[in-house]
Amino acid sequence: GAVVSQHPSWVICKSGTSVKIECRSLDFQATTMFWYRQFPKQSLMLMATSNEGSKATYEQGVEKDKFLINHASLTLSTLTVTSAHPEDSSFYICSAPKTSGREPYEQYFGPGTRLTVT
Amino acid sequence: GQNIDQPTEMTATEGAIVQINCTYQTSGFNGLFWYQQHAGEAPTFLSYNVLDGLEEKGRFSSFLSRSKGYSYLLLKELQMKDSASYLCAVMDSNYQLIWGAGTKLIIKP
Repeated sequence: GAVVSQHPSWVICKSGTSVKIECRSLDFQATTMFWYRQFPKQSLMLMATSNEGSKATYEQGVEKDKFLINHASLTLSTLTVTSAHPEDSSFYICSAPKTSGREPYEQYFGPGTRLTVT
Repeated sequence: GQNIDQPTEMTATEGAIVQINCTYQTSGFNGLFWYQQHAGEAPTFLSYNVLDGLEEKGRFSSFLSRSKGYSYLLLKELQMKDSASYLCAVMDSNYQLIWGAGTKLIIKP
């Protein structure tokens, strides 16, 4: 099956610093990738849709200047949390839809990145 | 608005059968997904329904009724490793996934 990787798997940073999270599709090209955030005991919350070669589309309430998204190639999207604060501590997950195959629009999820801001 | 409803938590016994329900109200419908998520891990795909009826995959089955805005995930012969959260998600007319809050399933020996 399709594989999506994320790096790092966990990161601890100090308040005010920036953190970059990478999401890669390893065996397929992804023109679109999704970035989610998940707080403990809550469901996935879509933050933004990353589009290769164009600007990301952010969900309502998500600050685009704080969560910078760059979809540099068909296999890589990055999310940079700028000036991180403790309330940004969360589990960040990326996913990429694979539109070919038996299950249309199935999303393949990366393993997630646990961000802790101290 | 759009919303997905599913129970917060369910408990079942090892070897038994459990049904997790999901009701939805969305702008358009392009299919319903069930995902399994173990604590601290990313979701993994379980099933996809776009037509009414039952889809069976081994111990797991998923049912859809579009007219009722209703789906369920049926897990048979429960194993301890089935303890996880089960997420229901609907793809709307814009091909965007709308996620439920998830049902935490606790399996007891």
